[in-house]
Amino acid sequence: RKEVEQDPGPFNVPEGATVAFNCTYSNSASQSFFWYRQDCRKEPKLLMSVYSSGNEDGRFTAQLNRASQYISLLIRDSKLSDSATYLCVVTLLSGGSYIPTFGRGTSLIVHP
Amino acid sequence: NAGVTQTPKFQVLKTGQSMTLQCAQDMNHEYMSWYRQDPGMGLRLIHYSVGAGITDQGEVPNGYNVSRSTTEDFPLRLLSAAPSQTSVYFCASRFRGKGTGELFFGEGSRLTVL
Repeated sequence: RKEVEQDPGPFNVPEGATVAFNCTYSNSASQSFFWYRQDCRKEPKLLMSVYSSGNEDGRFTAQLNRASQYISLLIRDSKLSDSATYLCVVTLLSGGSYIPTFGRGTSLIVHP
Repeated sequence: NAGVTQTPKFQVLKTGQSMTLQCAQDMNHEYMSWYRQDPGMGLRLIHYSVGAGITDQGEVPNGYNVSRSTTEDFPLRLLSAAPSQTSVYFCASRFRGKGTGELFFGEGSRLTVL
């Protein structure tokens, strides 16, 4: 079983829709949580960190539920430019270092 | 602002050949790492380093060697390339800190082994 699980999608939504992605992680000792965005054939880039209290950045809202061991990403008012793969990242303390572990990614396609 | 620089961007090898993927960062990051990304598999950690002279294995280390002689450079060596090593390779770095820091990625190196 992979340590970080995501629904690969694709999620195919019209412009203006609201879409939500979930990600579950298996290790309760996980320390830090992130969402990265990866465009086709490009490198991943940080979208936002995820905090226990939840956080929002414009149209994007991230939530963390430590009890159930999942994080979520909500995108409101989807734009064509939001089409990408969204990677869930969980950081685990290992041998004194914090090691990021990536989910396989969820593909989002926003159509006109 | 160079950030993380990977070379080469594309490479074709024959089975059994060796090569080195170069990674350099100019942000004074202690932590550097190599990932491979295959279709449907996400990013898998190959090796990582928390500082000069310190390296450790990740999830898929077999067939790869690394060294970290300076803070800036973290090369990945394929000693005897195999078709299973055909992949896109990403180098990433961040401050070591408490794990809350952003990972910065290079643009990737696309390797094909025939």
